[in-house]
Amino acid sequence: NAGVMQNPRHLVRRRGQEARLRCSPMKGHSHVYWYRQLPEEGLKFMVYLQKENIIDESGMPKERFSAEFPKEGPSILRIQQVVRGDSAAYFCASSPPAGQGYEQYFGPGTRLTVT
Amino acid sequence: SQQGEEDPQALSIQEGENATMNCSYKTSINNLQWYRQNSGRGLVHLILIRSNEREKHSGRLRVTLDTSKKSSSLLITASRAADTASYFCATVPGANSKLTFGKGITLSVRP
Repeated sequence: NAGVMQNPRHLVRRRGQEARLRCSPMKGHSHVYWYRQLPEEGLKFMVYLQKENIIDESGMPKERFSAEFPKEGPSILRIQQVVRGDSAAYFCASSPPAGQGYEQYFGPGTRLTVT
Repeated sequence: SQQGEEDPQALSIQEGENATMNCSYKTSINNLQWYRQNSGRGLVHLILIRSNEREKHSGRLRVTLDTSKKSSSLLITASRAADTASYFCATVPGANSKLTFGKGITLSVRP
């Protein structure tokens, strides 16, 4: 039973380019979460999605960031016009339909470097 | 601000010793969870303790929760070098609330 998969594992973008991060949840999980982690920091919640719905995006920056979880295919976190401050590790997690307050299963992360 | 704050920030012990890590939080919770993160990897869920529970065990892990003091502790007994990692507590205010992570504790277990 495959765990949460994220790709790419490492992504290098120049300032102004777009970054697309993909996440496939565990089989049977319908809830997806995105977090950002800066060096020596804990994880900061960004967004919580269910299939075709954004449930909570209170941690998403108002501009340049968007997320989706379509009916078919992985969840996508999209960062437009990246800046150096976007360099971080981005983790996706999934959970079964019980709800977001329960244990979450994390992917290996995508390390974004903006040059 | 972070809901959960771990203490100490860093801990270095000898293999075989016990490691105790603490987490304090500010508001009431539905449950509290502990996660481990090995360098360069994603987080691994260790244990979840609900607000009406006081203690939980899982293998060499023991978690306590004191809701009156708004604190939790994670005890790893008979530590191993493989326990070297960062440990995070995450609080959940309501049954359907998002997890809020602390900054983590770096544990080093010397062989």
